[in-house]
Amino acid sequence: DVKVTQSSRYLVKRTGEKVFLECVQDMDHENMFWYRQDPGLGLRLIYFSYDVKMKEKGDIPEGYSVSREKKERFSLILESASTNQTSMYLCASSITGNSYEQYFGPGTRLTVT
Amino acid sequence: SQQGEEDPQALSIQEGENATMNCSYKTSINNLQWYRQNSGRGLVHLILIRSNEREKHSGRLRVTLDTSKKSSSLLITASRAADTASYFCATGKGAQKLVFGQGTRLTINP
Repeated sequence: DVKVTQSSRYLVKRTGEKVFLECVQDMDHENMFWYRQDPGLGLRLIYFSYDVKMKEKGDIPEGYSVSREKKERFSLILESASTNQTSMYLCASSITGNSYEQYFGPGTRLTVT
Repeated sequence: SQQGEEDPQALSIQEGENATMNCSYKTSINNLQWYRQNSGRGLVHLILIRSNEREKHSGRLRVTLDTSKKSSSLLITASRAADTASYFCATGKGAQKLVFGQGTRLTINP
C-alpha cells in the first residue's frame, strides 16, 4: 500500500516564525502536492512538484515556498507564518499516468498564534 | 480556482438508506474522481470515472457521469455508520493536477 506520511499531526507556531512541513511518500511517485483545507473552501492547491527540484505554483502560493531535493520528500515552507495561515495542510502524491489518483497523508493541523 | 461544486453541502440519513451526492463542474475533463475524508484525516480515493464512461460501480458505490451536463453523482447504497464522512469530487484535466470541490458532509444516523 502507498504510504504518505507528514511530519506532524498538530503544530502550533507563533506569528513570524519560519515553519517547515514535511511529507514523505514510499511508492516512488513522481508527483507530489501540497493543499490547504479550510471550512467552506474545500482543498486548495498551494504547490505541486512533478520531479525532483521541479515545482509549479498552484492556486494560492503566496506566503509559501517548497523544496523537493529527493523524490520521496516534499517540504512546504511558511517563510513568516501569519494567523491567516492557520489551516489543515494535506500532502498528496501520485504516479504519472492517465489516472491522476492521488494518495493523501493524514494532514497537519497548523495553528499560528 | 474551484471547479467542482458538490450538492448538498450536508446530508443526514438513517442507516440502511441510500445516499446520493452530486457534483457539477465547469470545463472539459479527462476524468472525475470521488474521495472520502473521515473527520480530521486525509482523503481516501474511492472511485474514478473517465470522460468516455457513463456509469461505474465499486461495491456499494455507483458513480454516474454526464459530460453534456457537466455533472456527476455518487450513490452509496445500504449506508452504514462507517460511511459517515465528507465526500469530495475532483476533476482531472491535465498536468496531473486535480481540482477539488467543497465537499458533502454525510451523516449516517443509527
